[in-house]
Amino acid sequence: DTGVSQDPRHKITKRGQNVTFRCDPISEHNRLYWYRQTLGQGPEFLTYFQNEAQLEKSRLLSDRFSAERPKGSFSTLEIQRTEQGDSAMYLCASSPGLNYEQYFGPGTRLTVT
Amino acid sequence: AQTVTQSQPEMSVQEAETVTLSCTYDTSESDYYLFWYKQPPSRQMILVIRQEAYKQQNATENRFSVNFQKAAKSFSLKISDSQLGDAAMYFCALIQGAQKLVFGQGTRLTINP
Repeated sequence: DTGVSQDPRHKITKRGQNVTFRCDPISEHNRLYWYRQTLGQGPEFLTYFQNEAQLEKSRLLSDRFSAERPKGSFSTLEIQRTEQGDSAMYLCASSPGLNYEQYFGPGTRLTVT
Repeated sequence: AQTVTQSQPEMSVQEAETVTLSCTYDTSESDYYLFWYKQPPSRQMILVIRQEAYKQQNATENRFSVNFQKAAKSFSLKISDSQLGDAAMYFCALIQGAQKLVFGQGTRLTINP
């Protein structure tokens, strides 16, 4: 069990470009979550999956954001036409089930210039 | 809507002393879970302690304990015998229903040697 991993750890992109982040959860964790954290703030929920089904999306997740978990294992989060306001740490977490604690990855820090 | 409030942006304590971090929350549900997470500088978020709302007994994990006051919707974290490695951002979080974590704004804890 190697924990939750995220790739890349850092991403610098120019405004208007598309970016994609990957999250590999702890094996056999059927729930996977994405959060966004801006400097000095607590993480904010974006979306979550149970297996391959995306069960909830936050209103923070505009139509420029899309997330997938095609085989119920790893997940990707894509941001199209990035804006400077998208600069943040994007955190992924996984959980083995209902009401269990979530285990977080190291995050992907996105900087949009 | 659920909310979590941490009213102490920063706290400091002398090494080996005890410190208490405050957290209040609001929810209309009777079944929920509360967590304290620790986020060291440039490192990933890790779980410190969890409390089930239906349990009256306060949770304890080694030097970490909570004071859970359900009627007052208060959930404070006490760290005994503070160590330099305890320096971090501490986030209080609530989970219920839709299983997404709702975080407070965080408290930055400094340990003075």
